[in-house]
Amino acid sequence: GAGVSQSPRYKVAKRGQDVALRCDPISGHVSLFWYQQALGQGPEFLTYFQNEAQLDKSGLPSDRFFAERPEGSVSTLKIQRTQQEDSAVYLCASSQDRFSGNTIYFGEGSWLTVV
Amino acid sequence: GENVEQHPSTLSVQEGDSAVIKCTYSDSASNYFPWYKQELGKRPQLIIDIRSNVGEKKDQRIAVTLNKTAKHFSLHITETQPEDSAVYFCAASKYGNKLVFGAGTILRVKS
Repeated sequence: GAGVSQSPRYKVAKRGQDVALRCDPISGHVSLFWYQQALGQGPEFLTYFQNEAQLDKSGLPSDRFFAERPEGSVSTLKIQRTQQEDSAVYLCASSQDRFSGNTIYFGEGSWLTVV
Repeated sequence: GENVEQHPSTLSVQEGDSAVIKCTYSDSASNYFPWYKQELGKRPQLIIDIRSNVGEKKDQRIAVTLNKTAKHFSLHITETQPEDSAVYFCAASKYGNKLVFGAGTILRVKS
C-alpha cells in the first residue's frame, strides 16, 4: 500500500474490555514498530518486529499488552482488561529493513479511549 | 538506555523569522537522528534526518546539524511560514533499532 494503515482509527472501550488494534505496514517493509503516544507527549516505544520475529518487547507496559505478526506482514496489538491509563494513541510504524536507511514511516494511529 | 531531551517545549516566532529546536542524547552509540513534524490528530511525518557520519544536512528551508562529541543535534527552520506551526519531535536510534523520542516542541508561527 501507499502508507502504513491502521484500524480502527478510533476505539472507545469500557474498562475491563479487550481490544485489538491492527496495523498494515508498507508493502515489503521488514521492520514493524508499535508506539504509544499519550496526549501532549512524544511517542513511547512498545515493541519491534523483524518479519515475524518479535525482537524487542521491552516497552510493553504490562502483561496485558500482547503483539503479534504471524506472517511477517500485518500486526495486531492486543490489550486485555483495558484500564483508563491505557487511553492513548497507538502508532504503528514500518521501515524497509533494519540496516538500509532506518527511515521509519508512521501510520495515522489508533485512538483508544477507555471509559 | 537512550535518553533524549528536547528544548524548548514551546516556541513562538514571527512569520519569516528562523526557528531553532535543540536536542541532546545520552547514548554515544546512537547513529541516526530523525526529526518528525506532527499536526494535531495526524501521524508524525519525517521532515529530515541525519546519520552520524554527517555533520549537517539541508533541505530547502530546513537544516539539521549534529555534534557527536557534545551529543546534541538541532533543527533549523528558516523563513518560517504559518503552515510550519505544529509539534516537532527529535529522536535517536542505533542500528535500525527503536526510536527514542524527545518530548516535543510546539512551534507557533505568528502571521
